[in-house]
Amino acid sequence: GENVEQHPSTLSVQEGDSAVIKCTYSDSASNYFPWYKQELGKRPQLIIDIRSNVGEKKDQRIAVTLNKTAKHFSLHITETQPEDSAVYFCAATGANNLFFGTGTRLTVIP
Amino acid sequence: DTGVSQDPRHKITKRGQNVTFRCDPISEHNRLYWYRQTLGQGPEFLTYFQNEAQLEKSRLLSDRFSAERPKGSFSTLEIQRTEQGDSAMYLCASSVQGSVEKLFFGSGTQLSVL
Repeated sequence: GENVEQHPSTLSVQEGDSAVIKCTYSDSASNYFPWYKQELGKRPQLIIDIRSNVGEKKDQRIAVTLNKTAKHFSLHITETQPEDSAVYFCAATGANNLFFGTGTRLTVIP
Repeated sequence: DTGVSQDPRHKITKRGQNVTFRCDPISEHNRLYWYRQTLGQGPEFLTYFQNEAQLEKSRLLSDRFSAERPKGSFSTLEIQRTEQGDSAMYLCASSVQGSVEKLFFGSGTQLSVL
């Protein structure tokens, strides 16, 4: 099955700086790559996603890039704010479900 | 609230007892997923339904676990003879027509087995 690796496991940045989280996947057939944000005690929430026919997608301060050849994708958050502090999960499709990375705890220091 | 709802939010049980969780998906979503999440880990796939049909089960889902979605709307996940290793957050998610894309998660049921 699909294997998704995510790093770093923790990331601290100063408010206003950028944050980058990277994931790799193993199954070349994977074609959908979402990112979820989970605040403490809350549900995972979809923040951005990308399909394999697109190399980059941006939504305000958040962007995702995908390199299909290398089988890796990344989340970029610019101008970080304290409310960006959370755990972020990447995921990749298996046949009919999502395989998640182990998460990155992002802390934005005011 | 028109999102995915789960009940109960927390469940404390003794080892060996049976527990049942309920999930109500977003009404127009015909796919329903169950995931399990332990501290410091990402959600792990357990099973999914397309309408009332259970189409896939993970190897993680031992024979003590059973899930149903009898009318293609709400779903239940039952764990029989609970073990301490079953302690986790059980998350339900739903998505639109025949797709794993854009899963919407519920707030989960936190199970503690003593």
